[in-house]
Amino acid sequence: DAGVIQSPRHEVTEMGQEVTLRCKPISGHNSLFWYRQTMMRGLELLIYFNNNVPIDDSGMPEDRFSAKMPNASFSTLKIQPSEPRDSAVYFCASSLKGAKNIQYFGAGTRLSVL
Amino acid sequence: AQSVAQPEDQVNVAEGNPLTVKCTYSVSGNPYLFWYVQYPNRGLQFLLKYITGDNLVKGSYGFEAEFNKSQTSFHLKKPSALVSDSALYFCAVRDKRNTNAGKSTFGDGTTLTVKP
Repeated sequence: DAGVIQSPRHEVTEMGQEVTLRCKPISGHNSLFWYRQTMMRGLELLIYFNNNVPIDDSGMPEDRFSAKMPNASFSTLKIQPSEPRDSAVYFCASSLKGAKNIQYFGAGTRLSVL
Repeated sequence: AQSVAQPEDQVNVAEGNPLTVKCTYSVSGNPYLFWYVQYPNRGLQFLLKYITGDNLVKGSYGFEAEFNKSQTSFHLKKPSALVSDSALYFCAVRDKRNTNAGKSTFGDGTTLTVKP
């Protein structure tokens, strides 16, 4: 398996633009997580899904952020409108459902909002 | 509620010396505990986990960790550090009672630097 695939790897955009980050989880995994990593705040869980259903979105910072999982093999994280403080590395991870299971992380998307 | 503390932002050791990266946790029930490693410009990679059984857990790249329930700790160790072990290490906890996969709580990370 190719692992968790995220695209794009790098995104540079201007303030106010819409940004869409994409994630393909490992086939067969039924839990998907979106994280944000910054120097100031460390690794933050934004939202996670079980069986394509959002379970906990309490980490989503504002209404400008939204996430969808239309099917088991694809998820998006959208920021609209983007702001400079959204600049971070965004990670997607997937796992089998169950608290003892390992999370597998993608390589991340480095977002820079100018 | 669950939380993780990694009390050291940075750990420096000489190559060949033993290393320890500290982690303490707090959960309402019993914990599942994990260590992940992050190399520059990469996502986190799983190192090892404690689920149940033997308190000493062995993982990838010669790392091990000891679960200590009385001290609520899960310190990561390696008998002989390599320069290539230099990376950012994260401890994570999940409450065993959490039946929804789980929201893992990650520590702030500890940067390990191994000098030749």
